[in-house]
Amino acid sequence: SQQGEEDPQALSIQEGENATMNCSYKTSINNLQWYRQNSGRGLVHLILIRSNEREKHSGRLRVTLDTSKKSSSLLITASRAADTASYFCATDGNNAGNMLTFGGGTRLMVKP
Amino acid sequence: EAQVTQNPRYLITVTGKKLTVTCSQNMNHEYMSWYRQDPGLGLRQIYYSMNVEVTDKGDVPEGYKVSRKEKRNFPLILESPSPNQTSLYFCASSLSREQSGANVLTFGAGSRLTVL
Repeated sequence: SQQGEEDPQALSIQEGENATMNCSYKTSINNLQWYRQNSGRGLVHLILIRSNEREKHSGRLRVTLDTSKKSSSLLITASRAADTASYFCATDGNNAGNMLTFGGGTRLMVKP
Repeated sequence: EAQVTQNPRYLITVTGKKLTVTCSQNMNHEYMSWYRQDPGLGLRQIYYSMNVEVTDKGDVPEGYKVSRKEKRNFPLILESPSPNQTSLYFCASSLSREQSGANVLTFGAGSRLTVL
């Protein structure tokens, strides 16, 4: 079952612009993670934010979490053509099976 | 290099012909899992394993089997593949939540399976 829903489904920007992707989820979580997937390849973990954190940074990535609204955003600053990929949020709800529940993803295209 | 290795990467087969997709990790991870990815449906978990000899169903286990006889290997078995199992499959592993405090997954490169 899909817990996270990303918005927008697709985003096209110019190199140098910022890209913002949003994720909404339904149930309480321990943490929320963002993954990146290059076309047809495996997902790569980008960043994790715990339920008691509100904001986290890693290089050009900034993640926010609002547990009252059950939402998160991923901001990529000064985007590059190499950032072109799909981005997925995944929620860890401390459920059985250590299962992360993934959203449908945002396809980001950064034009040179 | 720490990695999850899946084989084969690409496979075209016919309905009913048993196949196995292998998955191996070299990170001594306790937890392993299989996902399938389909357009419009995102990633859905098929089976997972919390440790050796411990496996359990995910969201979409029908038509699949798994085994975990060794810590490093977690093969996915399609006993009688059908066209609706045409998909992109990912194996993933992680430390247990007890070990690391969070379930951060390392994914394999994917196996694209087509069942005719």
